[in-house]
Amino acid sequence: GDSVTQMEGPVTLSEEAFLTINCTYTATGYPSLFWYVQYPGEGLQLLLKATKADDKGSNKGFEATYRKETTSFHLEKGSVQVSDSAVYFCALRNTGNQFYFGTGTSLTVIP
Amino acid sequence: DVKVTQSSRYLVKRTGEKVFLECVQDMDHENMFWYRQDPGLGLRLIYFSYDVKMKEKGDIPEGYSVSREKKERFSLILESASTNQTSMYLCASSLGPVNQPQHFGDGTRLSIL
Repeated sequence: GDSVTQMEGPVTLSEEAFLTINCTYTATGYPSLFWYVQYPGEGLQLLLKATKADDKGSNKGFEATYRKETTSFHLEKGSVQVSDSAVYFCALRNTGNQFYFGTGTSLTVIP
Repeated sequence: DVKVTQSSRYLVKRTGEKVFLECVQDMDHENMFWYRQDPGLGLRLIYFSYDVKMKEKGDIPEGYSVSREKKERFSLILESASTNQTSMYLCASSLGPVNQPQHFGDGTRLSIL
């Protein structure tokens, strides 16, 4: 069946460091791909999305490219801030209207 | 912006009680979902609904039921609450097309004593 695998955390970075959180997926057909962010005590917020191969989603300095050849959707940010500390979830929606989530990666950014 | 509102941020109930968690969305979304989130287990789908009065079981429906009498409202019911249902509950909604994301509420932290 379809699934999402993302790198396990926790990840700790210094402010202004480069961030990569890896995400790979398994799906038939052409799913849409999403990154969500969850701050402590809150629900998930949509961070960015890409709906077809080679699309790049971007928001708030984060970006991810839909790579069908490697079935990946890695999240990157060039310079993280303390306020980026949160849990990040990779997700897909398949053509059967089902959603699948990764297990989440906790990021802590230290000043 | 889409707004998904869950009726309570925090709720404390006793074992054996019938518990209602309410979720309302304001964007005419066809699909609505209930998840629970536990440390180390990620998000697990309890129930979902594609339309009014329709419901489908997710991965962990045991001990729960749902109601969708109006398009904007999706209720989760714990028939007889137990301590292993202490969790964070998240409601989400989405439009039909595959390129549309889910939108989540802020969650209800439920404690069963």
